[in-house]
Amino acid sequence: QQQVKQSPQSLIVQKGGISIINCAYENTAFDYFPWYQQFPGKGPALLIAIRPDVSEKKEGRFTISFNKSAKQFSLHIMDSQPGDSATYFCAVDTGTASKLTFGTGTRLQVTL
Amino acid sequence: EAGVVQSPRYKIIEKKQPVAFWCNPISGHNTLYWYLQNLGQGPELLIRYENEEAVDDSQLPKDRFSAERLKGVDSTLKIQPAELGDSAVYLCASSLVSSPYNEQFFGPGTRLTVL
Repeated sequence: QQQVKQSPQSLIVQKGGISIINCAYENTAFDYFPWYQQFPGKGPALLIAIRPDVSEKKEGRFTISFNKSAKQFSLHIMDSQPGDSATYFCAVDTGTASKLTFGTGTRLQVTL
Repeated sequence: EAGVVQSPRYKIIEKKQPVAFWCNPISGHNTLYWYLQNLGQGPELLIRYENEEAVDDSQLPKDRFSAERLKGVDSTLKIQPAELGDSAVYLCASSLVSSPYNEQFFGPGTRLTVL
């Protein structure tokens, strides 16, 4: 059973637009929700993360929105830039397991 | 500060041959992870070490995969014998303490092709 479901699989956004990627989970024990960014030929790198005690976290152009009741969280990239073109993975974890489970990824392409 | 180092970056082998991957974590990081990433998928944890101890190897196919982390620093992941389905990217990551709230730093991975 897939622990976290990510959508869309791919996304094309114009420069300056807003990119939105969604993830949904089932296990209410998860309490850590990071987003990772991966460029071709590189390993994933932590972009931004949120704990369930807040509904939103913003770092620069990147925002995580968290809906605990719906068991969903999303990544918003404001003013998307061509340099943001990469694959984005959401992930979930619990404080006791220390075991990141990744979504299937969203390939983002930002066009000029 | 140097990141996680992995070698080789690419490896092509015939099926049934053995293969080994090496990882040097960030200095001072006591937790080391090996992940498998299939094409178009997210990384999947194979094994997690805290210092020299493998604290979670539940996802490691132990019939053909083995790993070690001698002296709690470098680590080696081995496959013997390799199968066609093992073709993937093998990622190593490290973190400062074994906590989900500590950032995991990933290496560039080793891309394995089994022919």
